Amino acid sequence: EAQVTQNPRYLITVTGKKLTVTCSQNMNHEYMSWYRQDPGLGLRQIYYSMNVEVTDKGDVPEGYKVSRKEKRNFPLILESPSPNQTSLYFCASSLLLGQLYEQYFGPGTRLTVT
Amino acid sequence: KQEVTQIPAALSVPEGENLVLNCSFTDSAIYNLQWFRQDPGKGLTSLLLIQSSQREQTSGRLNASLDKSSGRSTLYIAASQPGDSATYLCAVCSNFGNEKLTFGTGTRLTIIP
Repeated sequence: EAQVTQNPRYLITVTGKKLTVTCSQNMNHEYMSWYRQDPGLGLRQIYYSMNVEVTDKGDVPEGYKVSRKEKRNFPLILESPSPNQTSLYFCASSLLLGQLYEQYFGPGTRLTVT
Repeated sequence: KQEVTQIPAALSVPEGENLVLNCSFTDSAIYNLQWFRQDPGKGLTSLLLIQSSQREQTSGRLNASLDKSSGRSTLYIAASQPGDSATYLCAVCSNFGNEKLTFGTGTRLTIIP
């Protein structure tokens, strides 16, 4: 089954404790990205990747890091989480040429930072 | 900067009625527009994708239209069912090279049995 998976689905952590949210897709998509969803603000892009070893900042990259060492995986790293990073996070993927293809989203990771 | 607006924020209709959800965007230079459904505690499910050159797309009871020049899209749901209850999001792709989607904040739809 074609899908985007994220782990963990739920995470409660404390300020400053490094964490990684994993994202994996099995559709051989070149493009992957991370969004966060906050009430009243909608979904906003954090980082994106056009292919292996090619990543760039989205609209709200502060406090986050990513890497793309393999085509299927695109982990999101919070080196020193803060309470304002409490949010619902989504990973997405698609074939390149986004004008032609729909984007597929993972199930989301709900992160709480205390 | 692209901005996407969805009005109303919430909508309740009796089962069986046809309904229309609205989406507007400020920059008409888009490549495509995508409608998603989001259920509580779950991810986004893609419903329809309309390319900028298209006027509408249909899937089952769903029909999405696009008027790029006026910056508007509508999602028409025919013969609504309780299972249609969810939040509906529209998103536009307007930055080739980034493939970024700019989302509206959604319309929460409740179908009353």
